[in-house]
Amino acid sequence: KQEVTQIPAALSVPEGENLVLNCSFTDSAIYNLQWFRQDPGKGLTSLLLIQSSQREQTSGRLNASLDKSSGRSTLYIAASQPGDSATYLCAVQLYNFNKFYFGSGTKLNVKP
Amino acid sequence: DVKVTQSSRYLVKRTGEKVFLECVQDMDHENMFWYRQDPGLGLRLIYFSYDVKMKEKGDIPEGYSVSREKKERFSLILESASTNQTSMYLCASSPTGQANTEAFFGQGTRLTVV
Repeated sequence: KQEVTQIPAALSVPEGENLVLNCSFTDSAIYNLQWFRQDPGKGLTSLLLIQSSQREQTSGRLNASLDKSSGRSTLYIAASQPGDSATYLCAVQLYNFNKFYFGSGTKLNVKP
Repeated sequence: DVKVTQSSRYLVKRTGEKVFLECVQDMDHENMFWYRQDPGLGLRLIYFSYDVKMKEKGDIPEGYSVSREKKERFSLILESASTNQTSMYLCASSPTGQANTEAFFGQGTRLTVV
């Protein structure tokens, strides 16, 4: 069974710092990997999707990379802002499309 | 703008009641999912559907059933609500058979069973 791990579980940084969130998965036979953001008491917001044939995707201050062979993905956030404070989750999707495996998330706090 | 809409943000129900959670997506996605999210346990898949009238059990289907009569709508049913079903419920949808299988989530339903 695919297992997804996110480290660290929580992270607190001062505003303006660049930071990296990590996601690792045990089975490299994935179809896609997706990063989400979740604000307290809310649903998940899609940030970036990386297809298995891609190495990275960028959206604004966010950059996500994927290394299938090592079972790792990173989410890089540039020039962090207090509004970035949220829980970030990664999820991997298998080739049968009908299941996503989620990590437990990294809770990010960006201090003004 | 793509959208997954859950019928309620907050619900309070009594033990033993039959509870319906509704989810509608406007993206013509084949796959739809119901998850529950609890502190320390993360997201756990209850049921998913890959086509109209088709469904498969997820990791924790006990005490739940689902219905998908139309492609855009996926309902989660708690046959007889119990206090251990108090949770945040999240609906999601995604396409299949394409390169971009990005999943989208609804805003969540916070269910309290008293």
